Amino acid sequence: GESVGLHLPTLSVQEGDNSIINCAYSNSASDYFIWYKQESGKGPQFIIDIRSNMDKRQGQRVTVLLNKTVKHLSLQIAATQPGDSAVYFCAENIGGATNKLIFGTGTLLAVQP
Amino acid sequence: GAVVSQHPSRVICKSGTSVKIECRSLDFQATTMFWYRQFPKQSLMLMATSNEGSKATYEQGVEKDKFLINHASLTLSTLTVTSAHPEDSSFYICSAPHSGWGETQYFGPGTRLLVL
Repeated sequence: GESVGLHLPTLSVQEGDNSIINCAYSNSASDYFIWYKQESGKGPQFIIDIRSNMDKRQGQRVTVLLNKTVKHLSLQIAATQPGDSAVYFCAENIGGATNKLIFGTGTLLAVQP
Repeated sequence: GAVVSQHPSRVICKSGTSVKIECRSLDFQATTMFWYRQFPKQSLMLMATSNEGSKATYEQGVEKDKFLINHASLTLSTLTVTSAHPEDSSFYICSAPHSGWGETQYFGPGTRLLVL
């Protein structure tokens, strides 16, 4: 199918502030979720993941929250740095044996110095 | 993390020619790999699942005769865009799960295809 829209949602933050990027997923059967960071002209880079039996997971400067009731994911980045500027995608593994990932629309994070 | 490479990183070709893109898992074996395409300012769209030793599984709307996939070994999948046209110009990205079911997928650096 085709993607819609030519403009990514943008989140603009000041350096040092915390960032929160949100994502709504579509399939209630999805059991594994991943956040990826994509810099211009590069492939997606793994940031953090979470399984459906958890509601929170923390990494270095990043936290992922999962709310299965409303099918919502968020990525929190603490003390945002200019190097965090990129497009962030959430992805859901739809379960079963396929291991397929379905990507969200993405959010452009712009960090202002 | 696991490393996935792609070759070439960018290619320019004439309309009507075929282009082959390679995806390799460098430090692990992958019985399954995935191919995506991404247009500017858009998300990744899954094209097909590449299965080692068997036929690829294509997503709805993706022409299997247009995008030929071969998964000849546990570390290599190839995507061939046949009779490429300007509308095939895109960023093609592959991924491979590191191990087992539901494990993290690692992505290649992508291949930029421009068809003139």
